[in-house]
Formats: sequence, structure tokens, C-alpha cells
Amino acid sequence: DQQVKQNSPSLSVQEGRISILNCDYTNSMFDYFLWYKKYPAEGPTFLISISSIKDKNEDGRFTVFLNKSAKHLSLHIVPSQPGDSAVYFCAASAPSDSWGKLQFGAGTQVVVTP
Amino acid sequence: DTGVSQNPRHKITKRGQNVTFRCDPISEHNRLYWYRQTLGQGPEFLTYFQNEAQLEKSRLLSDRFSAERPKGSFSTLEIQRTEQGDSAMYLCASSLASQYSNQPQHFGDGTRLSIL
Repeated sequence: DQQVKQNSPSLSVQEGRISILNCDYTNSMFDYFLWYKKYPAEGPTFLISISSIKDKNEDGRFTVFLNKSAKHLSLHIVPSQPGDSAVYFCAASAPSDSWGKLQFGAGTQVVVTP
Repeated sequence: DTGVSQNPRHKITKRGQNVTFRCDPISEHNRLYWYRQTLGQGPEFLTYFQNEAQLEKSRLLSDRFSAERPKGSFSTLEIQRTEQGDSAMYLCASSLASQYSNQPQHFGDGTRLSIL
């Protein structure tokens, strides 16, 4: 059962514009959410996380928003740069698993065009 | 480089053979995780350790898979009698965590397994 869903397999955005990536989840026990970026032939790289006690977390060009009632989170990248072209994964974990197990979405391929 | 290290990077083997992968976590991290990733999918959880104790195994993990972390440092993942369906990227991650807090997991670059 896919408890974390990224419904957009791809996103194309112009350099300098905002990239918005979306993620939905079904398990109300999830309380810790993360975004990872992955380049080909490399492992996922941690970008930013958010705990369910917050609705926003910011780190430089990256901001994650959490809407618990909608079970939805999003990642905003402003401004988008060519080096941001990668696959982005949303992940979630629950205290019932001692936050040990991350459940991932299928990823969104972002292409930043000049 | 003090990141998560995985060896080998690539493994090609014939169906029915046994394979073993190694993961060296970030040195101060007490948790170590194994995931599997296939094309077009996100990583799928296999198992994790806190120190040397294996705390959870995915129910999707068949009996042909076994993982160890004997001294609470590096870990090995063994697949016995490999099958075509085992072809995937095997990712290792580590974190500093306990049952009372959460911290991000940091991933290695994976071992790509190809079964002929």
C-alpha cells in the first residue's frame, strides 16, 4: 500500500522561477517528513525536513509546507537553478516505528531550463 | 569523506549465486538502514539496526535476505540464491536517532545488483 504519493512524475521550470513539488500521504500516524534530492548514479541527498508540530520550515532556497488536515506537503525551491535538475523524493516516518522506517513517494523529476 | 560508504558499487552475478554487500555508516551514527530501489520507484525499506540490534524487518523481505551489524559499526546484506527480481539498487543509510527523537537519514551511493 502506497502511503506516500507524489502524483506528478515530472516538472519543468525555467531558471529563476519557483519550483513547487507536491506530496500527499494517507497515514495519519506520520509526524516527520523529509525531502531528498537524487542525481543519477548517486544516493538520495537530504534536503529539508519538517515535524508535524510545525507548518513551515525554511532553509535557504528551500521551504517545506505541511498541511496536516489535508495530509499534504509541498517543497518550494526559489529561485530554481540548473543544478536543481534531479529527482525529488518525499518521505515520511511515524513514532510508532520509532521513526526507523522511511516511506517514500515515487519521486518527481525536475528539469530546470535556461 | 565521512559519508555513508557502500561496496561494491556494482555487482553482476548469475541467477542462483549468493551476493554480499557492505555498508559503512557515518561513524557517530547509531542507526543503520537498508533500502531497495527499482526503476521509477522510491526507495523501499528493508530493515534497520540500532547499534547491533536488528529492530525491524520488512515483511516483504524474503528468507533469502539476511543482514547483520555484528559490532554496531558496519553492516552486511546477503542475498542467497539470487533471482531475477532481486535486480535493483540497494541503498544503505545511517542516522543518529533514538525512540524519542527523529533525525534525517543520510544515504550512501548504493550497490547496483544485476542478475544475469
